[in-house]
Amino acid sequence: AQSVTQLGSHVSVSEGALVLLRCNYSSSVPPYLFWYVQYPNQGLQLLLKYTTGATLVKGINGFEAEFKKSETSFHLTKPSAHMSDAAEYFCAVSGTYGGSQGNLIFGKGTKLSVKP
Amino acid sequence: SQTIHQWPATLVQPVGSPLSLECTVEGTSNPNLYWYRQAAGRGLQLLFYSVGIGQISSEVPQNLSASRPQDRQFILSSKKLLLSDSGFYLCAWRGRVFCTFGSGTRLTVV
Repeated sequence: AQSVTQLGSHVSVSEGALVLLRCNYSSSVPPYLFWYVQYPNQGLQLLLKYTTGATLVKGINGFEAEFKKSETSFHLTKPSAHMSDAAEYFCAVSGTYGGSQGNLIFGKGTKLSVKP
Repeated sequence: SQTIHQWPATLVQPVGSPLSLECTVEGTSNPNLYWYRQAAGRGLQLLFYSVGIGQISSEVPQNLSASRPQDRQFILSSKKLLLSDSGFYLCAWRGRVFCTFGSGTRLTVV
């Protein structure tokens, strides 16, 4: 079984400051890991994904995440926050494509606020 | 390219009324399809998934049902809505690695 824990339901940063959103996962199989972003009343947009290979993954809008197997973590970072980054961010885990292990299991989300 | 359509965008329904939400995918065949519900502070809850026509798996016992009458069509239904069915419903399809989501339906049961 898989699960995701996102630490902090709300995170507030100043514009230009570092963004750090925390995600820890549990998986009984080698995981695929994802970060999605959601703007109000919209669907989810994929920010980045980890499948295999390089553990530091770069995504859109300047975000990146590092897969740390020993810590079962996949934290999302961005060096300098922009006002347009204000949104809700979801971490998700799945197994490989086939069967129910291929279902994406999401954390409860972290709402990011950016102060001018 | 693949696209996913979900409608309606918003819906206000009285308690006890039926529900039908539709989702269609274009540009791919035999996709894995999903219905998620998002309630405030509870993240995304997987409701149903389907790996093919007529094949539906339910993740959470509830007042809802799903059907897949065609390869690229996924329908979420209810015979009688409850207040607790209110939420934001998202359809998604999965490629080899990640899910692509529709724009969602905001359902308010009054």
